[in-house]
Amino acid sequence: IAGITQAPTSQILAAGRRMTLRCTQDMRHNAMYWYRQDLGLGLRLIHYSNTAGTTGKGEVPDGYSVSRANTDDFPLTLASAVPSQTSVYFCASSAFPRGMDNSPLHFGNGTRLTVT
Amino acid sequence: EDQVTQSPEALRLQEGESSSLNCSYTVSGLRGLFWYRQDPGKGPEFLFTLYSAGEEKEKERLKATLTKKESFLHITAPKPEDSATYLCAVQARRMNRDDKIIFGKGTRLHILP
Repeated sequence: IAGITQAPTSQILAAGRRMTLRCTQDMRHNAMYWYRQDLGLGLRLIHYSNTAGTTGKGEVPDGYSVSRANTDDFPLTLASAVPSQTSVYFCASSAFPRGMDNSPLHFGNGTRLTVT
Repeated sequence: EDQVTQSPEALRLQEGESSSLNCSYTVSGLRGLFWYRQDPGKGPEFLFTLYSAGEEKEKERLKATLTKKESFLHITAPKPEDSATYLCAVQARRMNRDDKIIFGKGTRLHILP
């Protein structure tokens, strides 16, 4: 089934450790996104990529980095995790970047991360 | 300031009891309004896109409508499997064409059998 695969599904991480959340899509979508979802705050954009080789900062980028070496993969790295990064992380994609059209977002099933 | 507000935060209905969820928005330049459904432990699943005031979209027991200030998601004769969190998102035009997508906090809908 076409879609977005995220790994791991959940992780408990000690503060100060480095962690990479993986995201792969098989829809050949141009744009990809990372969101975090926190109770009471809704979905907030961390980083995005309009096309392979480019990335941009969202609303809450501090403490996170991304890369987009190819169309399908968009990993999110926490260089040195802190407890405030405890959240559910969703990877998403859209056929075209925001601003080119209004194609909907397609989401993965998330990674639940707990930083202790 | 761009803003999306959903109400109510939570709604409990009996099976078959129709109701509406509200999404009020304030954005400068609407490119589209989206409705998503999110089940526990899953990512949001796309339902509808609405582009302009007066537009309506339907899918099974769901109908979404749009005015210049708000959108409604009408649920007719709901079933327990309609229980989920429903998210509204608005895509706001930006001069640099890097549109902003603003999500509401969602309405948790619970349909009792």
